[in-house]
Amino acid sequence: QVTLKESGPVLVKPTETLTLTCTVSGFSLSNARMGVSWIRQPPGKALEWLAHIFSNDEKSYSTSLKSRLTISKDTSKSQVVLTMTNMDPVDTATYYCARTTIFGVVIRYYGMDVWGQGTTVTVSS
Amino acid sequence: DIQMTQSPSSLSASVGDRVTITCRASQSISSYLNWYQQKPGKAPKLLIYAASSLQSGVPSRFSGSGSGTDFTLTISSLQPEDFATYYCQQSYSTRWTFGQGTKLEIK
Repeated sequence: QVTLKESGPVLVKPTETLTLTCTVSGFSLSNARMGVSWIRQPPGKALEWLAHIFSNDEKSYSTSLKSRLTISKDTSKSQVVLTMTNMDPVDTATYYCARTTIFGVVIRYYGMDVWGQGTTVTVSS
Repeated sequence: DIQMTQSPSSLSASVGDRVTITCRASQSISSYLNWYQQKPGKAPKLLIYAASSLQSGVPSRFSGSGSGTDFTLTISSLQPEDFATYYCQQSYSTRWTFGQGTKLEIK
C-alpha cells in the first residue's frame, strides 16, 4: 500500500522558515519512474504546484516561489523535505505531498497519483 | 508560465446528467494534461492523465479528450459522489500549473 504523510509545524511566524517533511511508504524514492511533488491550497482557493523531485535528483520549482523554495530527498529515510523561507500570512494553506508517477514508455507523461492527507500551516505572529 | 483556464468556474447539474468541463492552455501543451477531483476536506484524486487515459480504479463514466490547447473532461452520467471540484493541470513545461477549478454542485 502506497502512503505519503506530511509533517511539520502547524504555526509559523512571519519571516520564519517553514520546513515540511513528506515520509513515503510502499514505494522507493530511487524508483526511476517516480518522484514526489509538493502542492498547496490556501483556504477556499485553488491548488498551487510548488516543486517536485525525481530519483535522479531532477528538481523543478514554481516560478513565483523559486527564490524561497528548496526541495531535497533522503532515499534511505524515504523522506522528501521542502523548505520555504521568509513566510508570510499569504502562505497560510494546506500543504500536500504527492507521489508523481511517470506514465508511458516512449513519451513521459507525469501524474500525481497518490496524495498525502495534507498538513495545515498558519502564518501568524 | 503556462496559464490554465477552466470553464465554467461553477456548474449545477442533476444526477444522471452528462457534464462537460473545459480547460484551455495559454500555449500548446500537446497531451500533457491531467484532471483531478477534490471533495471538501480531502486531498485531490487523479482521474485522467495524458489528456485521455483513465487512471486505474476510476469509473468509466469519466473521460478526457483534447490536445494542443483545448481539453475537456466529461462525466457521462452524474452520480451523487461526483459532486466535487475538478482541476486540470499541465505537465508540459518543467513548471507545472493548475487551473482555477470547476465546482460541480447539485441542482
